[in-house]
Amino acid sequence: GQQLNQSPQSMFIQEGEDVSMNCTSSSIFNTWLWYKQDPGEGPVLLIALYKAGELTSNGRLTAQFGITRKDSFLNISASIPSDVGIYFCAGHGSSNTGKLIFGQGTTLQVKP
Amino acid sequence: EAQVTQNPRYLITVTGKKLTVTCSQNMNHEYMSWYRQDPGLGLRQIYYSMNVEVTDKGDVPEGYKVSRKEKRNFPLILESPSPNQTSLYFCASKLWGTGGSYEQYFGPGTRLTVT
Repeated sequence: GQQLNQSPQSMFIQEGEDVSMNCTSSSIFNTWLWYKQDPGEGPVLLIALYKAGELTSNGRLTAQFGITRKDSFLNISASIPSDVGIYFCAGHGSSNTGKLIFGQGTTLQVKP
Repeated sequence: EAQVTQNPRYLITVTGKKLTVTCSQNMNHEYMSWYRQDPGLGLRQIYYSMNVEVTDKGDVPEGYKVSRKEKRNFPLILESPSPNQTSLYFCASKLWGTGGSYEQYFGPGTRLTVT
């Protein structure tokens, strides 16, 4: 089935630094999503992308839907301690909009 | 307040003893789904439902059943749990609005241990 490869698996950065993570797939996705999960809680949707090439911002977060429809990236600018958590990419494939595929997650730690 | 609730939040059970995890949403969403989360694997979709009486398999449906008799509820049933079903389970509901707006909410999770 469809799979998403997310990298890096983990990041440990200094407060104030910018962060970049990405997701790739061997097949086309119609929708790309980025979530954040805090410890002990369910994922929360950060950004949704619907069209190839689309660039969307949500505060300090920016995400892009790759032109090939097989990748997406998430940037976090000027990181702060509350950015700590696990970030997941996810997508709805081209053949079945009901299925949602998740990447393995990127664990972000921010040092004050 | 928009909410997805799951019960129980924690459950320890023994192999073979049937159990049900309930999921309820108060947003009138058509789409609901179940996921399991295991370390290093992210979230994997078990089953989803596009509307009442419409359910379909996700990526890891083996050993699970679901039903969608009413819009607000989407229970997950493990007829004969096994230790490899020990995991953290999330229910989610989604509105897929006009213009491509995407609104999805996850429940707080159910941590299941099967011994």
